[in-house]
Amino acid sequence: SQTIHQWPATLVQPVGSPLSLECTVEGTSNPNLYWYRQAAGRGLQLLFYSVGIGQISSEVPQNLSASRPQDRQFILSSKKLLLSDSGFYLCACGGQWDRAYNEQFFGPGTRLTVL
Amino acid sequence: AQSVTQPDIHITVSEGASLELRCNYSYGATPYLFWYVQSPGQGLQLLLKYFSGDTLVQGIKGFEAEFKRSQSSFNLRKPSVHWSDAAEYFCAVGLTNDYKLSFGAGTTVTVRA
Repeated sequence: SQTIHQWPATLVQPVGSPLSLECTVEGTSNPNLYWYRQAAGRGLQLLFYSVGIGQISSEVPQNLSASRPQDRQFILSSKKLLLSDSGFYLCACGGQWDRAYNEQFFGPGTRLTVL
Repeated sequence: AQSVTQPDIHITVSEGASLELRCNYSYGATPYLFWYVQSPGQGLQLLLKYFSGDTLVQGIKGFEAEFKRSQSSFNLRKPSVHWSDAAEYFCAVGLTNDYKLSFGAGTTVTVRA
């Protein structure tokens, strides 16, 4: 079964600083990869998803970007953080051939606080 | 428009009592249906899923859910709640030919002694 790693687990950054969050997946190949954000007291918001290396689909216009340099690596970035970027960021993988194509498994998350 | 509704924002239940969390969806066809649980500060864990077949599905941690096509619902149940079941629960829905899931807003469950 797949294992999803996210780091860092916790991050405190000043407004205007850059951001790089990393997600790596083990135990599977060619997964679909997803970035979600949970703002305080709110539900899950899909930010980006990727069905292959270099293929990124953006769901919400914002100052964040995503990249997939390797099959099992998904990176979330920002050049200048805003206060509103604070939240809990979750990486997920899915698209396994023996499951529903959109069944997803989640990583442990990264807590980002922008001050 | 496609949507997933969890009508209850917060439910408080006594330990040992039964629990039912509601989920309704609005889709043109029968979608894939999922329930996830999230403990504070953790990622989401898949509790159970429905793709087709038997409309009563069993999951982990003693949970079950029943798909009712006529009511467009997929309610989650547990006969006897444990204190460790205190968490946030998300219903999710996906179309069979889509990469994405639509999540409900979540229901927070508090368990009192």
